[in-house]
Amino acid sequence: DGGITQSPKYLFRKEGQNVTLSCEQNLNHDAMYWYRQDPGQGLRLIYYSQIVNDFQKGDIAEGYSVSREKKESFPLTVTSAQKNPTAFYLCASTRTSGGAVETQYFGPGTRLLVL
Amino acid sequence: GEDVEQSLFLSVREGDSSVINCTYTDSSSTYLYWYKQEPGAGLQLLTYIFSNMDMKQDQRLTVLLNKKDKHLSLRIADTQTGDSAIYFCAESIGGATNKLIFGTGTLLAVQP
Repeated sequence: DGGITQSPKYLFRKEGQNVTLSCEQNLNHDAMYWYRQDPGQGLRLIYYSQIVNDFQKGDIAEGYSVSREKKESFPLTVTSAQKNPTAFYLCASTRTSGGAVETQYFGPGTRLLVL
Repeated sequence: GEDVEQSLFLSVREGDSSVINCTYTDSSSTYLYWYKQEPGAGLQLLTYIFSNMDMKQDQRLTVLLNKKDKHLSLRIADTQTGDSAIYFCAESIGGATNKLIFGTGTLLAVQP
């Protein structure tokens, strides 16, 4: 049963604390993405990775970090430098074969709340 | 820069047709997508259209693309209460990154 899993579903962060959101896929997809969703806004790209051990900043990377040590995993760390972290975080993945449409498949999301 | 805009809210009665509109600015878009998001959930791909097409039909869904006006629409026939959700359009700006630019989303409320 292939898909993308994100954990936890809800996460609470204290001031000055780093937290890590998990994203795992068993679709054998090459590329993975992290988006942030705020109420009344579309999704904004934080980071993306097209291949293992490589990743690029998206539009709002400040205050976030990622790693891609394994093809199936792309964890996102929200650091204390991110001053407004409360949001819904969505992970996505896609094949990259070039030419054909490559649909992004999304996980169920993690809601991060600041205490 | 790239920008995708949608109206925020649409209310229809069950059984009627819904039309959700989207405008985009990047003329180099290769594919345009419609995603559905139910409360507290991730995004589900509904359909997509290649930029050299002007219409695509998939069961109750019809996508119209006016490339000259950079306007995309999603028509849902015989709208059901289960169609109530937020609908996002997104454009793929091409290249190897498969990067998507999302609209702000349209909340569709279906009244019984």
